Amino acid sequence: AQTVTQSQPEMSVQEAETVTLSCTYDTSESDYYLFWYKQPPSRQMILVIRQEAYKQQNATENRFSVNFQKAAKSFSLKISDSQLGDAAMYFCAYIARWGGGKLIFGQGTELSVKP
Amino acid sequence: DTGVSQNPRHKITKRGQNVTFRCDPISEHNRLYWYRQTLGQGPEFLTYFQNEAQLEKSRLLSDRFSAERPKGSFSTLEIQRTEQGDSAMYLCASSLKPDSGGENIQYFGAGTRLSVL
Repeated sequence: AQTVTQSQPEMSVQEAETVTLSCTYDTSESDYYLFWYKQPPSRQMILVIRQEAYKQQNATENRFSVNFQKAAKSFSLKISDSQLGDAAMYFCAYIARWGGGKLIFGQGTELSVKP
Repeated sequence: DTGVSQNPRHKITKRGQNVTFRCDPISEHNRLYWYRQTLGQGPEFLTYFQNEAQLEKSRLLSDRFSAERPKGSFSTLEIQRTEQGDSAMYLCASSLKPDSGGENIQYFGAGTRLSVL
């Protein structure tokens, strides 16, 4: 069975600094997608960034980038130049490319940003 | 594009009552998903539809839960004889089918928070 693990329940970063959130996963599939979702206090889940497993190049979206290590089954999120609006719960998620529609989420990391 | 819409946003009910939630997906999306999220946890998959067909159900979806998506548009999730353990946020998401160029991205609604007293 596929699993996603986020080992950091809480993280804190100073405004304008950089923070890295960790995620590991387990799967026997070779073709899959990985995601980071952000869930602000208003509770609506927003996609931050997406990585396709067959692409070696790490995905980037403005201040957000990932470090995807397929062999190690690791998928960390780096947030550069942190802003107050980045404060939220961040979830790492996995989906098999051809395994149906089930997104498997980690337990989440609550990020606080200090002014 | 108005996004995924869920109603009601909050529902308070007494144990033993039936409740029904509604989800309106993004209009061109042919897949619709339901998840349950308890406080401090990640969402857990419940079920999903492709058009009107329910393709997968989690073992979390007990006999008291039923979901429908008539005509492949909006979906309803009904919980019969609610229990206190059903208290959670119920999230709906929608997407395009992966081979329709959907990139396997699920877009989420704001959720319905259920409190069972």
